Parts: sequence; C-alpha cells; structure tokens
Amino acid sequence: QQQVKQSPQSLIVQKGGISIINCAYENTAFDYFPWYQQFPGKGPALLIAIRPDVSEKKEGRFTISFNKSAKQFSLHIMDSQPGDSATYFCAASITGGGNKLTFGTGTQLKVEL
Amino acid sequence: DSGVTQTPKHLITATGQRVTLRCSPRSGDLSVYWYQQSLDQGLQFLIQYYNGEERAKGNILERFSAQQFPDLHSELNLSSLELGDSALYFCASSVAAGGNGDTQYFGPGTRLTVL
Repeated sequence: QQQVKQSPQSLIVQKGGISIINCAYENTAFDYFPWYQQFPGKGPALLIAIRPDVSEKKEGRFTISFNKSAKQFSLHIMDSQPGDSATYFCAASITGGGNKLTFGTGTQLKVEL
Repeated sequence: DSGVTQTPKHLITATGQRVTLRCSPRSGDLSVYWYQQSLDQGLQFLIQYYNGEERAKGNILERFSAQQFPDLHSELNLSSLELGDSALYFCASSVAAGGNGDTQYFGPGTRLTVL
C-alpha cells in the first residue's frame, strides 16, 4: 500500500526554468512533510519541510506548496541549475508516531544547459 | 557530510549467509533509523531505536534484526539472505524520538549484493 504518491517519475528542465514535483498522500494523520534530495552514491539529505498549518514555505530557490484539503503538496525549484540534478523524494510522517518517514517513489530531475 | 557513518560501504555475499551492517549516529543524536532502498520497493522504513530501545517497526522481515548499543551505535543483522535482499541500506539519526523539527540525517549507505 503506497501511502505517498509522487509524480513525475522523471523530469527534464532547462537551466533557469522551474521544476515542479508533486506528491499526494492518503493518511490524514500525517503532519510533517519533508523533501529529500539524493545524489548518486549518497544518502538522502533534507532539503525543506512543511507542516500542514501553513500553505507555503520558501527557502531560497525551493518552495513547498501545501493543500491540506486536497491532501497534496509540491516542490517548486525556481531558476533550476545543473547542480540541482538529483533524485527528489517527498515524504510524510506522524509526529509522535515514531517519526518513521513514508517516502514517495522519487523523481529524477535533470537540468540541462 | 551528514555526520552519520556506516560500514561497510559495500558488501557482497551469497544466499543463505548472514551479514551485519553498522551505523554510528551523529554526535548527540539518540535515535537511529534503518531504511532499505531498492529499485522495486523504493525507500522503505525498517526500524527505529531510541536510546537503546526499539521505538517503531516498519516492514522489517523476521530474518532481519537490529539493536542499539549503550554507545548509541546500531547494527542491522540480516540472515538467511535471499537474492531479493540486495539493496542499499541506509541508517539515519535524529536528536529525539520524533517531534517538531526532529530532522533525520542519513548516512552514505551500505550497498548489499547477494549472489
């Protein structure tokens, strides 16, 4: 049972463009939604995270948009750069529920020059 | 560098064997998490320990077991290995047992290949 659905599976964006990755969840008990970035041969690293009491969070070129009623959230990467080429995972967890992360299936982003 | 260390980096073994993966959390972190990453299953939570005690369990097979020692390092034991156990195994650590802003920091992983 996949509780967090992520799309697209892969994405190619031109340098300077906007990359958008979408996730949808089923379990309404989730209350913490992080995005992780993973480079080949490395472990996932936290990029940005949001809680459902806000609809948007921005950190530099990275923005999370959150729609609680639709049970969806998305990552926007503005002014995408070749160095952003990586695999991005959305995730969800329940505070106090052991903090285990339920991950989406990942999106391979390639930013072309 | 996240501060989480995992050894070994690579492990190649045969079916039916038993292996131990080791993880040292970031200094000051009390929680350790184990995740499995495979092509067909993605990133899956296996188990969490907090200050030596099992805190949460995920899709961990009965052939797999883990523990966290008094010095807070953790070991994941995989036994009666099958071809399907080939995967990347990640350890992550966090300060607390889980709460507001309790970020999980991932190690570089151990790549297990079962032949």
